[in-house]
Amino acid sequence: QVQLQESGPGLVKPSQTLSLTCTVSGGSISSGGYYWSWIRQHPGKGLEWIGYIYYSGSTYYNPSLKSRVTISVDTSKNQFSLKLSSVTAADTAVYYCARGISSSWYKVLDYWGQGTLVTVSS
Amino acid sequence: QSVLTQPPSASGTPGQRVTISCSGSSSNIGSNTVNWYQQLPGTAPKLLIYSNNQRPSGVPDRFSGSKSGTSASLAISGLQSEDEADYYCAAWDDSLNGRWVFGGGTKLTVL
Repeated sequence: QVQLQESGPGLVKPSQTLSLTCTVSGGSISSGGYYWSWIRQHPGKGLEWIGYIYYSGSTYYNPSLKSRVTISVDTSKNQFSLKLSSVTAADTAVYYCARGISSSWYKVLDYWGQGTLVTVSS
Repeated sequence: QSVLTQPPSASGTPGQRVTISCSGSSSNIGSNTVNWYQQLPGTAPKLLIYSNNQRPSGVPDRFSGSKSGTSASLAISGLQSEDEADYYCAAWDDSLNGRWVFGGGTKLTVL
């Protein structure tokens, strides 16, 4: 069974860059048919999709965050990463990584990491 | 403000059947399949229903999904205390070059 695990600093200063890594186990990030996403959840709020990456390196970002987001992949480590620049308190959230499937019939984010809380504060 | 609209709360007694609605538009639910997630307190969302009405392995058949036009519903029959959680609908949205969109979540209380 595929498992995903987020890691990275839990506290980031305003104006700095938030950096998180998602380690995938139980399956290869290089196997086709899947894309690898980041989603966040503000405290007590709903879910917001940040973006995704294919193992090939192709990326797609939420237009509302596109100017500040970079997602990259390291297939040798079976990891993918998120960088969010110029953070403010509004970026305080639980950040999740997830695996996505996009077929002719359906799209789904099926496996999720446990999430990691990132607080933006000086 | 979430793109998909869900009622903020729902409730039922043990054994009852409850439904949670999710309303969208032609660019999301109207043209793509709907997924449902269950989020227990302090945990990550867990996939409950995908492709409108399909259950992943291990999800009890008490949970069912349906879709009609630009709306979808999640039904839970034989309500149990452990079903108390937040439930989210999700769909791919074809506008703005495409993005995942979610409902604001429905807090289900088992009375």
